[in-house]
Amino acid sequence: DIQMTQSPSSMSVSLGDTVTITCRASQDVGIYVIWFQQKPGKSPRRMIYRATNLADGVPSRFSGSRSGSDYSLTISSLESEDVADYHCLQYDEYPWTFGGGTKLELK
Amino acid sequence: QVTLKESGPGILQPSQTLSLTCTFSGFSLSTYGMGVGWIRQPSGKGLEWLANIWWDDDNYYNPSLKNRLTISKDTSNNQAFLKITNVDTADSATYYCARIAYGGYSVYVMDAWGQGASVTVSS
Repeated sequence: DIQMTQSPSSMSVSLGDTVTITCRASQDVGIYVIWFQQKPGKSPRRMIYRATNLADGVPSRFSGSRSGSDYSLTISSLESEDVADYHCLQYDEYPWTFGGGTKLELK
Repeated sequence: QVTLKESGPGILQPSQTLSLTCTFSGFSLSTYGMGVGWIRQPSGKGLEWLANIWWDDDNYYNPSLKNRLTISKDTSNNQAFLKITNVDTADSATYYCARIAYGGYSVYVMDAWGQGASVTVSS
């Protein structure tokens, strides 16, 4: 199975920060990475697909990037509504696998 | 507009079979490239992909659940189903279904999720 090692598992943040969350794939998954945002008691919401594409309705302060086997989600100028859990998913190869998640908390 | 909604028993006992239904609208499982996936999330934990079913009846399972899973669909009624046999407390989770897509529709992979169905396994 492909492992998606997500870091950090939690992060203390301030409004206006630039936040970067990373998933490292244990083998090549190409562009087939999705980033989700999840708020308490809610379903995941797709934010980035194909590693770098912004999903419909997602603010432009969110962006996705890839460097080799490292996939990153960056939130520029963090707003209060961005405080949530974030998950990455690789869907290049079965079984599809998620990262362990990152919890953003306000300082 | 694409919507999905999961339904399930809520509570069941160890060793029973969990049956979940995903009722969706806004797309069809008779359309080339479309599919439905199931994902679960134990309380306070991460997401785990369980299974996918595609328009052509192709299906894939998470091997970690060791042949306990069966996924199926009813194209006419826009429903997908997941069964998990021999449940135990570790299967307690919120179960989600999501639209998945392939080929020319692949931009729609996991773009829409249901609200989730909470399942508790307890004696």
